[in-house]
Amino acid sequence: EEQLVESGGGLVKPGRSLRLSCAASGFRFDDYAMHWVRQPPGKGLEWVSGINWNSGDIGYADSVKGRFIISRDNAKNSLYLQMNSLRPEDTAFYYCAKVPVEMATVIFRYFDLWGRGTLVTVSS
Amino acid sequence: EIVLTQSPGTLSLSPGERATLSCRASQSLGTNYLAWYQQKPGQAPRLLISGAFSRATGIPARFSGSGSGADFTLTISRLEPGDFAVYYCQLYGTSRGTFGQGTKVEIK
Repeated sequence: EEQLVESGGGLVKPGRSLRLSCAASGFRFDDYAMHWVRQPPGKGLEWVSGINWNSGDIGYADSVKGRFIISRDNAKNSLYLQMNSLRPEDTAFYYCAKVPVEMATVIFRYFDLWGRGTLVTVSS
Repeated sequence: EIVLTQSPGTLSLSPGERATLSCRASQSLGTNYLAWYQQKPGQAPRLLISGAFSRATGIPARFSGSGSGADFTLTISRLEPGDFAVYYCQLYGTSRGTFGQGTKVEIK
């Protein structure tokens, strides 16, 4: 069974850092682009960042560019999001998501598999 | 950036009724790279439709997508109790890809 499991969320003060992880199983992780999508509690969805299968193509939303870094370790079937200089407006559930098309670029982003999400709360 | 506007914000219907959800882009997409998702409380979104028309694996035939240019529609032919949820459209295949703000389908 295909599965994504996020971890690393929590309460953090403004200006601090946090690293999210996503463990993938049940599919050939290194064939697929992977993304992070966030959702503030009670609000809509926002694409955050994406990385293609070999880390050669990476994209960020303007709202996180320069502060967040996406990476992956295909040997460990894992996706990461390093979040620096966190702001209260970064408070959200963060979902790891998989694209259904093999070898897709990061702009070809729609998602057939999502994790359950991890909550990041930025507050003093 | 292309803005996707979904309407109505909330749709109040009874089980068995037909639901018609709209997703309008601020300019013609020029492609059919539009997806629809369903999200229930406390759950991650679930892919329903991609390419404006194609149902995802395991999605019942009562869900259908249509449209082109700047106007797209998700139709649920006969609402079942498990269909009451929030629905999002999403543009992809462009660096300006984005989500609509969502339509909540609630029980009347």
